[in-house]
Amino acid sequence: QQQVKQSPQSLIVQKGGIPIINCAYENTAFDYFPWYQQFPGKGPALLIAIRPDVSEKKEGRFTISFNKSAKQFSLHIMDSQPGDSATYFCAASKGRDNQGGKLIFGQGTELSVKP
Amino acid sequence: EAQVTQNPRYLITVTGKKLTVTCSQNMNHEYMSWYRQDPGLGLRQIYYSMNVEVTDKGDVPEGYKVSRKEKRNFPLILESPSPNQTSLYFCASSSILQMGAFFGQGTRLTVV
Repeated sequence: QQQVKQSPQSLIVQKGGIPIINCAYENTAFDYFPWYQQFPGKGPALLIAIRPDVSEKKEGRFTISFNKSAKQFSLHIMDSQPGDSATYFCAASKGRDNQGGKLIFGQGTELSVKP
Repeated sequence: EAQVTQNPRYLITVTGKKLTVTCSQNMNHEYMSWYRQDPGLGLRQIYYSMNVEVTDKGDVPEGYKVSRKEKRNFPLILESPSPNQTSLYFCASSSILQMGAFFGQGTRLTVV
């Protein structure tokens, strides 16, 4: 079963728009929620991560919003640029698995930002 | 430069012919993992290792083997590859001291 569900599968926005990617999880033991960014031909790279004790985290133009009661979290990209075009993955892990890199990934969202 | 190096980047093989994909990291990380990436399924963990000689199954271990004889290396072995193992494979490493995993460039495997 898919423990982390991600939507939409693909997303097209104009430059300057604010794409939003959503993820939902089932396991309430998850306590670490990272987002990874992947460019074609490259491996995923950590973009930003959040713990469930906060509702929002910002790093530059990237913001994670977290809703613990709904078991949902989302990625917002402010003032999106063509260079943000990539595939984005949400993920989750729990406890000591965080350090072990035992991540459960969502299905991925292919984002295209048009000039 | 801190990195995770996988080889080969591309591989086409025939069903049943044993193969090994190598993975090496230069960050002295304790943890290493293998994932496969398939369209619509995201990345799924195959095996992971918490230290030398310590490995455990991930979510999709069937048909794969791993070994961790040295801290820096974590090869993925397909003893008898089948077409359903055609996929994009990623090795990753992480440290007990920091969150997040570092991924290699990937190995695109085709089994015919």
